[in-house]
Amino acid sequence: GESVGLHLPTLSVQEGDNSIINCAYSNSASDYFIWYKQESGKGPQFIIDIRSNMDKRQGQRVTVLLNKTVKHLSLQIAATQPGDSAVYFCAENRSFQKLVFGTGTRLLVSP
Amino acid sequence: DAMVIQNPRYQVTQFGKPVTLSCSQTLNHNVMYWYQQKSSQAPKLLFHYYDKDFNNEADTPDNFQSRRPNTSFCFLDIRSPGLGDAAMYLCATSRDGGRQPQHFGDGTRLSIL
Repeated sequence: GESVGLHLPTLSVQEGDNSIINCAYSNSASDYFIWYKQESGKGPQFIIDIRSNMDKRQGQRVTVLLNKTVKHLSLQIAATQPGDSAVYFCAENRSFQKLVFGTGTRLLVSP
Repeated sequence: DAMVIQNPRYQVTQFGKPVTLSCSQTLNHNVMYWYQQKSSQAPKLLFHYYDKDFNNEADTPDNFQSRRPNTSFCFLDIRSPGLGDAAMYLCATSRDGGRQPQHFGDGTRLSIL
């Protein structure tokens, strides 16, 4: 069946580096994507979203890139900080009112 | 400042003993969702309400039910919890369910003895 998935389960980076978290999706009809950050013991926190009519969207220290040709989504975090350590999920708005989450990537930031 | 509030944060119940988890929101959103999240896994949608309209996922066990008495509150009822129901339960809201993010509470961690 169709799914949203991530290539890397764990990403380890040094403080100050840039981080890139990747996500592959298979439903070409999906038109809206979201990145969430989930810290231990907390609910997912919205980071940034992008609609399918865009290729790139920037926020504060974060950028989301969407490549519809290869059905690939990425989250770039600039100057990664220890507070960025968390699990990151991409989510696909596959149909009205429903999100499908990817499997998650754990980001570990060491000082 | 909390906009989606889940109570309690931790809940312990006995095998087979009914349990209710609660969620409230101050966002006045139309849609409320319940997710189950097991350790190191992604959240899995159980069901959602669009206003008073209930929408169940096809693979949600009958053991799980929900109530939404008004816009602000939504409850998750587990009629006869089994050991496999131990998980984090997340409540989320969205304004009308279109191309917009869902806002999550911090969840209730349910343990089954």
